[in-house]
Amino acid sequence: GAVVSQHPSWVICKSGTSVKIECRSLDFQATTMFWYRQFPKQSLMLMATSNEGSKATYEQGVEKDKFLINHASLTLSTLTVTSAHPEDSSFYICSARTAISNQPQHFGDGTRLSIL
Amino acid sequence: GIQVEQSPPDLILQEGANSTLRCNFSDSVNNLQWFHQNPWGQLINLFYIPSGTKQNGRLSATTVATERYSLLYISSSQTTDSGVYFCAVATMFSGGYNKLIFGAGTRLAVHP
Repeated sequence: GAVVSQHPSWVICKSGTSVKIECRSLDFQATTMFWYRQFPKQSLMLMATSNEGSKATYEQGVEKDKFLINHASLTLSTLTVTSAHPEDSSFYICSARTAISNQPQHFGDGTRLSIL
Repeated sequence: GIQVEQSPPDLILQEGANSTLRCNFSDSVNNLQWFHQNPWGQLINLFYIPSGTKQNGRLSATTVATERYSLLYISSSQTTDSGVYFCAVATMFSGGYNKLIFGAGTRLAVHP
C-alpha cells in the first residue's frame, strides 16, 4: 500500500517550453503533497507544500510564477515548470501524506528534467 | 529552521562488513524517516522512526528523541546496499504540514 506514482520519469525539451509533472497517490487520499528538487550529488530541497483545494506554500527563494503547483484533488498534484531554461534542469520528486498524524511521507520515483 | 547533520559523509565498505550511520537534529521532531536512494534516483523508505528501535532484515534503526539523534545500522553489507542514505525530519513547528527536511546524506559504496 501507500504508492505514489510520478509521471513522466524523464523529460527532455527545448528551452522556453512549459513542462507538467504529475504526482498521484494511488491507494490513499493525500491531503498534503510536497515537491522537492535535487541537483546532482546533493540532497533533496523542499520547494513547496500543497494542500488539496488551496494555494501552495512555497519555500523561501522558490519562484511561484516559475513553478506552478496545483492540488485539485485528494489524489493528484501537478508541478508545471513554466518557460523552462537549462538552469531548471534537475531531478524533481514529489511526496504525499494523509491527514492522519504519526504516518510517514511516501515518495514518487522522481522526474529527471533536461532542458536543452 | 531545524538543522539535520549526517555522518559520515562518505563510507566505503567491504562486502560483509557492518556499519553505523548517524543523524543529528537540532530540534524536537514528530517525524523521522531513513531513506536509501538507489543509483536510479528512487527513494526507498527504510524506516519511519520518530522514536524507539525498529528492525527490518539486515537493517535496524534507533532514534533517541530526547538526545536528538538517530542511528541506522547495516549488518553484513552487500553490494546492493550501495547508494546514498538520507535522514529526514519534520518538526511540530513546520506549520502543521509535517514538512520533511533532509540531511546531506551518507554516500555508501560496498565493494565485493
